[in-house]
Amino acid sequence: KNEVEQSPQNLTAQEGEFITINCSYSVGISALHWLQQHPGGGIVSLFMLSSGKKKHGRLIATINIQEKHSSLHITASHPRDSAVYICAVSIVGTYKYIFGTGTRLKVLA
Amino acid sequence: DTGVSQNPRHKITKRGQNVTFRCDPISEHNRLYWYRQTLGQGPEFLTYFQNEAQLEKSRLLSDRFSAERPKGSFSTLEIQRTEQGDSAMYLCASSFLGTLTYNEQFFGPGTRLTVL
Repeated sequence: KNEVEQSPQNLTAQEGEFITINCSYSVGISALHWLQQHPGGGIVSLFMLSSGKKKHGRLIATINIQEKHSSLHITASHPRDSAVYICAVSIVGTYKYIFGTGTRLKVLA
Repeated sequence: DTGVSQNPRHKITKRGQNVTFRCDPISEHNRLYWYRQTLGQGPEFLTYFQNEAQLEKSRLLSDRFSAERPKGSFSTLEIQRTEQGDSAMYLCASSFLGTLTYNEQFFGPGTRLTVL
């Protein structure tokens, strides 16, 4: 079992739909990160969470430390949101990231 | 541009050749990480440095791989006697680890290696 599990692996949505991507982890963490990766490889940090909820524009991220679970929500999805969304956790002590396998999102116009 | 840079962006090599990649972190960052990402997978940790000291190496890093960070600035990752299984995107990230930080990492654009 991977230490960081994401679901779904692939997601296709119509423009305007509300999208949820889930992440569960099984290790002790100092923080959880949601990252976005576009074709070509560049990774951009969307959120860093240690508790509660954060919002940035149409993106919302939540974390439940007790349940070791986080969700990324996209409201009013748009084709430009199409990308791979990766959940990563930073490990207490080393702070290295352990990544989920990513969720490939495609938003259709 | 003051972000993390990596060179080259793409490298095609023949099996058995040696390759070296370079990563230039954000200037004030004291930590530097290398990750490897194969197609359709999330990145996997390879190694990390705090200043010039290499503090951890993954079991993924065979004897053919070596990484250095002389003077605690840029870092190089060398792969000797490349194999087709080494084909992947090699990602570098840097961060500043201080007393009041969660160590957010900033990623470079990656070096895509293809071994023929």
